[in-house]
Amino acid sequence: KAGVTQTPRYLIKTRGQQVTLSCSPISGHRSVSWYQQTPGQGLQFLFEYFSETQRNKGNFPGRFSGRQFSNSRSEMNVSTLELGDSALYLCASSIASGSISYNEQFFGPGTRLTVL
Amino acid sequence: AQSVAQPEDQVNVAEGNPLTVKCTYSVSGNPYLFWYVQYPNRGLQFLLKYITGDNLVKGSYGFEAEFNKSQTSFHLKKPSALVSDSALYFCAVTGVGAGNNRKLIWGLGTSLAVNP
Repeated sequence: KAGVTQTPRYLIKTRGQQVTLSCSPISGHRSVSWYQQTPGQGLQFLFEYFSETQRNKGNFPGRFSGRQFSNSRSEMNVSTLELGDSALYLCASSIASGSISYNEQFFGPGTRLTVL
Repeated sequence: AQSVAQPEDQVNVAEGNPLTVKCTYSVSGNPYLFWYVQYPNRGLQFLLKYITGDNLVKGSYGFEAEFNKSQTSFHLKKPSALVSDSALYFCAVTGVGAGNNRKLIWGLGTSLAVNP
């Protein structure tokens, strides 16, 4: 079974631009979550989607948004990029219907975003 | 405030020796506790989780973790380290809340280096 895939793997943008990242979960997984990983802050939870509905949200500004499609694929969007948005963005999926907080998550390799 | 601490940024151990990666938490109630590992340029991989029951939890790749409620700790252990265990290790704990509102709180990670 294919793992979680994320595209693109690397991205370079400039301040003020917007970016869209894509995540394809493992087949059969309906829960998708997104994280921002930086050396100083570790993993910060962005949001979780289940069956096209945002089920949980972290403490990020409204510039960060996401959505999930009927095939469980998910996208996250960051508008008006800031230098501090440079990070590794990780997507994870879970087969369980309950919250990701209780269940094993399968992570993709991440998208490395650099904002110049 | 809820928090997870991994007090050591880096742990060095010789191959064949036992290893311990420490995690302590400050969360009320009965949280779920997790360990994940991140190999270079790869996403996180689930190692093990504790929900309830036996305080010693066995996981993947020969790892185990010991839950200690009185010390609010969940240390990761392995009897005999391998060079291939060198990676970044994350502890995560469910915060307070009900149902799907419960979020995972992540430690900042501990870099494990196993020397041949």
